[in-house]
Amino acid sequence: DGGITQSPKYLFRKEGQNVTLSCEQNLNHDAMYWYRQDPGQGLRLIYYSQIVNDFQKGDIAEGYSVSREKKESFPLTVTSAQKNPTAFYLCASSYEGSGGYTFGSGTRLTVV
Amino acid sequence: DQQVKQNSPSLSVQEGRISILNCDYTNSMFDYFLWYKKYPAEGPTFLISISSIKDKNEDGRFTVFLNKSAKHLSLHIVPSQPGDSAVYFCAASDWGTGTASKLTFGTGTRLQVTL
Repeated sequence: DGGITQSPKYLFRKEGQNVTLSCEQNLNHDAMYWYRQDPGQGLRLIYYSQIVNDFQKGDIAEGYSVSREKKESFPLTVTSAQKNPTAFYLCASSYEGSGGYTFGSGTRLTVV
Repeated sequence: DQQVKQNSPSLSVQEGRISILNCDYTNSMFDYFLWYKKYPAEGPTFLISISSIKDKNEDGRFTVFLNKSAKHLSLHIVPSQPGDSAVYFCAASDWGTGTASKLTFGTGTRLQVTL
């Protein structure tokens, strides 16, 4: 079955450490996205990529980095520069030009 | 600047009655609108969408209405069922410009359907 997989589901990080969240899709979608969900703030766009080896900053890119070396993969690194990294992170993908997204099941990151 | 707004953070409706969730937007370039449903600790799932060339789209118990002049859309669920209890996100994009289908989401409305 085609889908989008995020791992791990729960992640704990010590302050000052970088951590990478995985996102893999086998839907042959061109575009991939990272969103962050915080209580009362909905979903906010961190980064997105329309094609391999290209990506753009979203609304809250500071403290994050991404890569898109393969069509299937769009990992997100939360760096130590991100001041408030504890959140629920969602990865999504879509056909270029299509209207809707397919979302992964999310990764909950907690800084301890 | 919140371009997509859901002003009601929560809504409680009795089973069998109609649920109406509202969404307002400010960007006149938005021409495609979607509703997503989300359960806790899960990713959102697509529910229904509408293009700006229409003012209504229906799928089973779910109907979305679009009022372009008011920059307002609403999701009607009838009859409401306990399994509809979730957070509903409104989303919008400027799909017609041919650029990336980047969605802008609202803050969500938590719907609780009571017995």
